[in-house]
Amino acid sequence: DADVTQTPRNRITKTGKRIMLECSQTKGHDRMYWYRQDPGLGLRLIYYSFDVKDINKGEISDGYSVSRQAQAKFSLSLESAIPNQTALYFCATRPGQYTNTGELFFGEGSRLTVL
Amino acid sequence: TQLLEQSPQFLSIQEGENLTVYCNSSSVFSSLQWYRQEPGEGPVLLVTVVTGGEVKKLKRLTFQFGDARKDSSLHITAAQPGDTGLYLCAGGRGDYGGATNKLIFGTGTLLAVQP
Repeated sequence: DADVTQTPRNRITKTGKRIMLECSQTKGHDRMYWYRQDPGLGLRLIYYSFDVKDINKGEISDGYSVSRQAQAKFSLSLESAIPNQTALYFCATRPGQYTNTGELFFGEGSRLTVL
Repeated sequence: TQLLEQSPQFLSIQEGENLTVYCNSSSVFSSLQWYRQEPGEGPVLLVTVVTGGEVKKLKRLTFQFGDARKDSSLHITAAQPGDTGLYLCAGGRGDYGGATNKLIFGTGTLLAVQP
């Protein structure tokens, strides 16, 4: 089983619908991240969390919200999806400060299509 | 604003050829990572370099961090079909391993090695 699990893996929805992408991890890491991947743009950070109840905006947070319900769970919501939010979304984790080698551990991705 | 530009964006070569991928920025980074992403998977860390001028080898892959810590290169010798994938560089800002360390991803290089 994957250490970082994302659900759903694929989702097609319509403009204006509310969508939630979920991420759970069994690595015991404190830090969790949501990235968006678009061709030619690499990975861009949406939100990140260093602990439960700690939420920080990334470089492209507009139109998104997140919830860190527990250490192992970090969900990303699109309150009213729009077509330019069509992308591949990745959840990633990282250990806390004193064991941090800088490596990010990624889930397998959630492909979202907004029609 | 994209801080890390990778070149080339696409590369299709024959098995056995050599290639170099470049990752360039006008900004200084405290560390530089290279990830490889295969279709349907999340990125996986290949290497981290932290010292200007540092060279690391991973079998047929050679990674170099520029002297000024603004750029990096990945050289693959005798490429194999198993090297096919998306290669992403990521620059670290802030104290390496520290609480403020953030990664900025490059634009990506899609490599296809034909048998």
